[in-house]
Amino acid sequence: AQSVSQHNHHVILSEAASLELGCNYSYGGTVNLFWYVQYPGQHLQLLLKYFSGDPLVKGIKGFEAEFIKSKFSFNLRKPSVQWSDTAEYFCAVNGGAAGNKLTFGGGTRVLVKP
Amino acid sequence: GAGVSQSPSNKVTEKGKDVELRCDPISGHTALYWYRQSLGQGLEFLIYFQGNSAPDKSGLPSDRFSAERTGGSVSTLTIQRTQQEDSAVYLCASSLARFRTSSSYEQYFGPGTRLTVT
Repeated sequence: AQSVSQHNHHVILSEAASLELGCNYSYGGTVNLFWYVQYPGQHLQLLLKYFSGDPLVKGIKGFEAEFIKSKFSFNLRKPSVQWSDTAEYFCAVNGGAAGNKLTFGGGTRVLVKP
Repeated sequence: GAGVSQSPSNKVTEKGKDVELRCDPISGHTALYWYRQSLGQGLEFLIYFQGNSAPDKSGLPSDRFSAERTGGSVSTLTIQRTQQEDSAVYLCASSLARFRTSSSYEQYFGPGTRLTVT
């Protein structure tokens, strides 16, 4: 079965700081990888995704993620965060024997101080 | 266009009662998913419908949980004899899942139904 782990449960940083959130998954076959964001009081939104091709993917709002197959990782990065990036971030995976259903990591709450 | 909608947005029920949660997917989306978001368990998959295929029920936590999808569109998640541990936000998502393109499999989430069992 697939599993996803996110290393940090809570991250607090100041505006303009750089952000990196770790994500590792367990499944060794072909997978699709996603980062979702949930802003306070809002529903889950897709930030970016990786299906194939260039392992460095760019998403909305200046976020990017790098797929490193050898490390089973898909870390999320943003060079300079804003207060509006305060949210909870979820890494997710699907594909292979699990089909289209998503397996989520535990989430990381990010608080950006103005 | 309209996104995924869910109703009710909030539901408070007494332990032992049955509840029904509704999901309206994006028009034309053939795949529909139910997930649950709770403090103790995070985001977990419940059930998945794809077109006319038999649903994948592998995530349902007990036989008190069931779901149906009528006419390939609206879905209802039913929880019988609710327990306090059923308290959670129930999320519905849909995807086009019709063409072999990556965007076709992106899942779009609704706002969720917050269920509180007292």
